[in-house]
Amino acid sequence: DAGITQSPRHKVTETGTPVTLRCHQTENHRYMYWYRQDPGHGLRLIHYSYGVKDTDKGEVSDGYSVSRSKTEDFLLTLESATSSQTSVYFCAISESLGGQGAAYEQYFGPGTRLTVT
Amino acid sequence: SQQGEEDPQALSIQEGENATMNCSYKTSINNLQWYRQNSGRGLVHLILIRSNEREKHSGRLRVTLDTSKKSSSLLITASRAADTASYFCATDVSGGYQKVTFGIGTKLQVIP
Repeated sequence: DAGITQSPRHKVTETGTPVTLRCHQTENHRYMYWYRQDPGHGLRLIHYSYGVKDTDKGEVSDGYSVSRSKTEDFLLTLESATSSQTSVYFCAISESLGGQGAAYEQYFGPGTRLTVT
Repeated sequence: SQQGEEDPQALSIQEGENATMNCSYKTSINNLQWYRQNSGRGLVHLILIRSNEREKHSGRLRVTLDTSKKSSSLLITASRAADTASYFCATDVSGGYQKVTFGIGTKLQVIP
């Protein structure tokens, strides 16, 4: 599982409250990602990081911010949670497969189920 | 919008039969990957096929890639009940930040 943990694993929160999800990895991977998974949409990239303090937006970044102050931790913050952010959130890291050309695989954490009421 | 689209969205077969899932994508890719997700769990990488490869095998898995048609297929032979899961294709177009774009997945049920 590439040593990826997510916390909390489940959370119920009210609309308008701030929420922070944490992703922790133990193997010094450079690239980290936050996805959300919703029925009918598969996984969609929210934000990603390519190093400490180096982050960028994914395809569904509105309403989310991230921070990476240490290699091992990647935080996802919902500044003011809305019901549309009810989802399962997955953190992932990327690891090179080697060989010719750029090839890698992503390892996923166990997920955080967030419900916004 | 999703880069990859799997077909069918759901598939139910008997144990021992073969399962075939297809993925179509829109733009040129560096490689294409297949992942499996068991219910309530994170995704697990199954196999990667590079854009200059046409076919790849791994155990009971066979993946093909047709870049002219922008499509890939995943074949699981001699399916088992434990293969019940959702399967996603993921396309790499970034070349830089190791980002992939996932399809919406095929939900496979293998009936014992």
